Amino acid sequence: DTGVSQNPRHKITKRGQNVTFRCDPISEHNRLYWYRQTLGQGPEFLTYFQNEAQLEKSRLLSDRFSAERPKGSFSTLEIQRTEQGDSAMYLCASSTAPRVGNTDTQYFGPGTRLTVL
Amino acid sequence: KNQVEQSPQSLIILEGKNCTLQCNYTVSPFSNLRWYKQDTGRGPVSLTIMTFSENTKSNGRYTATLDADTKQSSLHITASQLSDSASYICVVSAASGGSYIPTFGRGTSLIVHP
Repeated sequence: DTGVSQNPRHKITKRGQNVTFRCDPISEHNRLYWYRQTLGQGPEFLTYFQNEAQLEKSRLLSDRFSAERPKGSFSTLEIQRTEQGDSAMYLCASSTAPRVGNTDTQYFGPGTRLTVL
Repeated sequence: KNQVEQSPQSLIILEGKNCTLQCNYTVSPFSNLRWYKQDTGRGPVSLTIMTFSENTKSNGRYTATLDADTKQSSLHITASQLSDSASYICVVSAASGGSYIPTFGRGTSLIVHP
């Protein structure tokens, strides 16, 4: 399967614990995005990378959240000191940066569902 | 504040019928508008992407329109099928110094009954 993969698919943790999610993009894609989606809502943009550079970061991304893409391939999203409000589906998407503009077609992974008890 | 409003919130139609979903936005400066289909428990799948200069884009039975003057878009689904049952999400991106920030709508939940 050459689609976007995310691990783990489900994570249950206790409040205050740290968690880390991994996203493996489609191999030739140089852009990678992270989103968060709570039940019944549309996704919210968190951050995106082009190669290893983090180009944009939402104000929603508090200092407890950090994302990395050290070699321009896979990415990790870490949440420190988790809170119950962090419970959500965390989605990753990848794409090829267009030459002009931002009309890249993003391909989403299946998501990681986080439950904070 | 950038906002994307979708209507209706939910819609039930019979198989074979057509339907139209609406998206109004207040995102500025406008970069592009996308429609996604999201099945329950799965990631969204891109249907269409439109820039400022495009006012219609088709993808099979899906046709999106964009009126940049009134800041409105619609997604028309022709001859609906049971597999069209999903959430349809409108996303509008603002251009920001070479980067971009997408704003998502809450989605329209479509149920197609046999």
